This record gives sequence, structure tokens and C-alpha cells, in this order.
Amino acid sequence: SQELEQSPQSLIVQEGKNLTINCTSSKTLYGLYWYKQKYGEGLIFLMMLQKGGEEKSHEKITAKLDEKKQQSSLHITASQPSHAGIYLCGADGWDGQNFVFGPGTRLSVLP
Amino acid sequence: GAVVSQHPSWVICKSGTSVKIECRSLDFQATTMFWYRQFPKQSLMLMATSNEGSKATYEQGVEKDKFLINHASLTLSTLTVTSAHPEDSSFYICSARHQNFYNEQFFGPGTRLTVL
Repeated sequence: SQELEQSPQSLIVQEGKNLTINCTSSKTLYGLYWYKQKYGEGLIFLMMLQKGGEEKSHEKITAKLDEKKQQSSLHITASQPSHAGIYLCGADGWDGQNFVFGPGTRLSVLP
Repeated sequence: GAVVSQHPSWVICKSGTSVKIECRSLDFQATTMFWYRQFPKQSLMLMATSNEGSKATYEQGVEKDKFLINHASLTLSTLTVTSAHPEDSSFYICSARHQNFYNEQFFGPGTRLTVL
């Protein structure tokens, strides 16, 4: 079965600092999704990456998929308290029957 | 612990019929459950937030009269797709927020709906 790992498990940064969250797959990724969960709320879709080397940005968040398509990183520039939450990566399951999530990275941004 | 189940895991139905999907938290109580839908090769999208004992909150663009959500107990939420059409064919996933761990959300295995 496909597994997704995320690092770090949790992160506390000072407002204004940059940070990176990583998502690693045991198999080649053909569709990698990043989500944010605000505490206690539903998942919000951030970005989807499909091609090796692809990079997408939305406001201060940039996501990349490596050339081998087994690792993705999410980078936040000049973090703000509004960035706090749990960030999850997800991918289509290889059996075509389900969707796989990473364990999540809990981000806290101190004002 | 913290297991969420969905039933059925897959269902095939004829166009025009209604389909009910159950989401259960097996070993914890969930005051809030979330329903998501995923079309092939697309992102998982939040459809609605279901709170026990109250009306569900639907995301923009989701028809509440078509996707009926009932959260009658702290361990069960149901999603009924009424008058299903082929375009409703999708993968539906629920998640449950643990009553005691407000920030933790546990996902069900999903239900694949195919409407012929």
C-alpha cells in the first residue's frame, strides 16, 4: 500500500519566519495534493501537483514536486498567525479505490 | 482507537434513485463530521460540515436538497444522495472530529458511488 510521510510532525515558528513542510511517498506520485485544516474545521484544498519538477504558488505558499515525483515540499514565506493549522498532503491510492493522507504537520505561528 | 467507518464501501445505482452513505465513529464520540467528495484525478473537496443535533453547513456550490445530511447521534452521520445522476458518481469520504480532541480529525475509508 502507498504510504505518505510528513515532516516535521509539528512546527512552531515566530511570525515573519519562513518554513518548509515535507511530504514523502513510498511510491511514485501521479497526483499530490496539499490541504490545510484550520483547527476544528474541514480541510481546505491548497494545491495539486502532477508533473515532476512542478511548482505552484498561492499567495505566500509555494509547493513543489521533485523530479522523481516521490517528494513534495510546502514552503511558507513570512509566516503569519493565519497560517496556523494542520497541513496534510494527500494522494490517490494506488489501488484506485481510496485516497491516502499523510499524518499531517501541525503549525503554530507565534505573534 | 479513533476509527471511522463508512458503509457501503462501494455502491452502484440507477439514475434517479437515492443512495444513503453512513459514516460512523466506532470508538469515540464525534460532535462534528465532515463530508468530502473527490472526482477522479481531482482534489478532495469539502461538501459540508455536519454537527450533531443541528442542520449541516454546506459549502458554496453544494446543493443541500440533493445531498441530505443527517447527524442524529454522536457516532453516526448519513449522507443521502437524492435522485442520483451519473455526474454524482464520485468518491465520498467522511471525517469525524473527536469530541475530546478538538483539533484531531479522523477519516473514513471512503465510499465509491457509481450512478449508471
